[in-house]
Amino acid sequence: GAGVSQSPRYKVTKRGQDVALRCDPISGHVSLYWYRQALGQGPEFLTYFNYEAQQDKSGLPNDRFSAERPEGSISTLTIQRTEQRDSAMYRCASSLSPGETQYFGPGTRLLVL
Amino acid sequence: ELKVEQNPLFLSMQEGKNYTIYCNYSTTSDRLYWYRQDPGKSLESLFVLLSNGAVKQEGRLMASLDTKARLSTLHITAAVHDLSATYFCAVDNPMDSNYQLIWGAGTKLIIKP
Repeated sequence: GAGVSQSPRYKVTKRGQDVALRCDPISGHVSLYWYRQALGQGPEFLTYFNYEAQQDKSGLPNDRFSAERPEGSISTLTIQRTEQRDSAMYRCASSLSPGETQYFGPGTRLLVL
Repeated sequence: ELKVEQNPLFLSMQEGKNYTIYCNYSTTSDRLYWYRQDPGKSLESLFVLLSNGAVKQEGRLMASLDTKARLSTLHITAAVHDLSATYFCAVDNPMDSNYQLIWGAGTKLIIKP
């Protein structure tokens, strides 16, 4: 089907608010990854799912960050009590199976004021 | 710790010229990926290289892998303006069964008419 989609594309929020970022992977893709990308840098790994199971969350910066993929398809990355340093581009990627090529979504640009 | 280094980080070149981008990584890895990112856009998969001596070509781009030297190259032949973008290489982390990718910093390529 269509490529990876993410919503919203842009999110402006005030410090201290919670935000939820959504990722809709390519249909049938088992693996789903969340990354954060600063301007002019490569993606920074946050967390990874196979089906609904969160396999690796070692890249989440702190306990304000969490992610879920309850039905093995759509995933949500939640940031609680946002801080200005959380401002970044958040990207989602999916792959057909673990270790296969990852296909990236357009990203959500988060700005915390 | 697995590290991935790209060079150059910035390259400005004239149309019609040839050039090579280098990607070095610090430990053995099963897969090496090349991605392209246009300004403000997402990451687009270009190549995945799986074995020593692997060579893949698409149009004016050719990627190769030397696992013994832990080196991949992305060669641009007779560059055209449309190839202006940032190019990232990434490798699988062999110590991570979750296929987390380790990314280079990217090479920003500007091709002048």
